[in-house]
Amino acid sequence: QKEVEQNSGPLSVPEGAIASLNCTYSDRGSQSFFWYRQYSGKSPELIMFIYSNGDKEDGRFTAQLNKASQYVSLLIRDSQPSDSATYLCAVNQGAQKLVFGQGTRLTINP
Amino acid sequence: GAVVSQHPSRVICKSGTSVKIECRSLDFQATTMFWYRQFPKQSLMLMATSNEGSKATYEQGVEKDKFLINHASLTLSTLTVTSAHPEDSSFYICSFKGFGGAVGNTIYFGEGSWLTVV
Repeated sequence: QKEVEQNSGPLSVPEGAIASLNCTYSDRGSQSFFWYRQYSGKSPELIMFIYSNGDKEDGRFTAQLNKASQYVSLLIRDSQPSDSATYLCAVNQGAQKLVFGQGTRLTINP
Repeated sequence: GAVVSQHPSRVICKSGTSVKIECRSLDFQATTMFWYRQFPKQSLMLMATSNEGSKATYEQGVEKDKFLINHASLTLSTLTVTSAHPEDSSFYICSFKGFGGAVGNTIYFGEGSWLTVV
């Protein structure tokens, strides 16, 4: 079992709709969870991080964490074509390392 | 915000030669930096963790004699790919771990370096 799993996609969402990205992880001791966006050929950029169970909202983005189910998700409201990218879920391993999922490729269709 | 500067952004080298990639943290002193490698359409794979003033810790399967990491100061870490071969062609990304304050406890990435070995 992979440590961090994501559906590789592609996930296609119409413009203006809600895009839902999911991630599961295997290490119950993980405390920090991150979502990065990566455009093709570019470096990842941090979108959000979440430490506590529940929802965390930042603009059009909402991160959701359920530690009991070992599940973290990212919702993107009012999806825009510029949101088309690969979204990487990352989970801390110990105090230092992050383990990344393989990423979900999201396409927003105008 | 926190900025990590990485150079060069693209480099082409001949097989058998060595290439050095630099990573600088511009706004913060980074006691810990990380080097990742990403092959096309694959996720980021951690290669090594670089601690200032001490030897880097390499992940399993990463050859420490091939991928030399130097973290001699709090703002600079370098990765040298020695005796590069075509299979080393990849996207190499450095990052540093913030610690509290404005950057929080998160990891920020450099712009990445595309290495092509011909």
